[in-house]
Amino acid sequence: DQQVKQNSPSLSVQEGRISILNCDYTNSMFDYFLWYKKYPAEGPTFLISISSIKDKNEDGRFTVFLNKSAKHLSLHIVPSQPGDSAVYFCAASTIQGAQKLVFGQGTRLTINP
Amino acid sequence: NAGVTQTPKFRVLKTGQSMTLLCAQDMNHEYMYWYRQDPGMGLRLIHYSVGEGTTAKGEVPDGYNVSRLKKQNFLLGLESAAPSQTSVYFCASSYGGNNEKLFFGSGTQLSVL
Repeated sequence: DQQVKQNSPSLSVQEGRISILNCDYTNSMFDYFLWYKKYPAEGPTFLISISSIKDKNEDGRFTVFLNKSAKHLSLHIVPSQPGDSAVYFCAASTIQGAQKLVFGQGTRLTINP
Repeated sequence: NAGVTQTPKFRVLKTGQSMTLLCAQDMNHEYMYWYRQDPGMGLRLIHYSVGEGTTAKGEVPDGYNVSRLKKQNFLLGLESAAPSQTSVYFCASSYGGNNEKLFFGSGTQLSVL
């Protein structure tokens, strides 16, 4: 029972273009969402987050959009750079279980020169 | 500026052997976590701790035990390793549990033959 799903295992984007990574969730109690980035042989690092009271959060080249009615969030990277090539995990939590993050399967993003 | 340090980085065990994975953090964080990452499954929470001397079960706790005798250390034990425990294990820490971002170690690759 995968509560957080990233249905695209991989994504390839040309340098300079927009990268869009998608994430769907099934638990309507989730109210906080995060994206983590992971390079090979390293642990995940926090990228950006959004609370359910917002529908958009922006940090430089990274923007996360939340559509609560569709139970869908997306991460936009504009413009994409070669250093963005990594695995991206979305994660979600509830107020009651804030310490119990539920992660998606991850999407491997490759930025082509 | 070490952050979260995991030892060992790699280990091969035979079925039935035991071992302990060590996690140490130098950020004075209250919360610590153990996750496992398997292909197509994302990261799944094994156990976590909300402070020195406390532990709690996560999503996949069976076959593992943990201890948090010191605030900076969180140990994950496998008493009788099984091939199903072949995985990459990540330790993480956070200042609090209220949607605080997690800081991850670089992981331990464990193979059980």
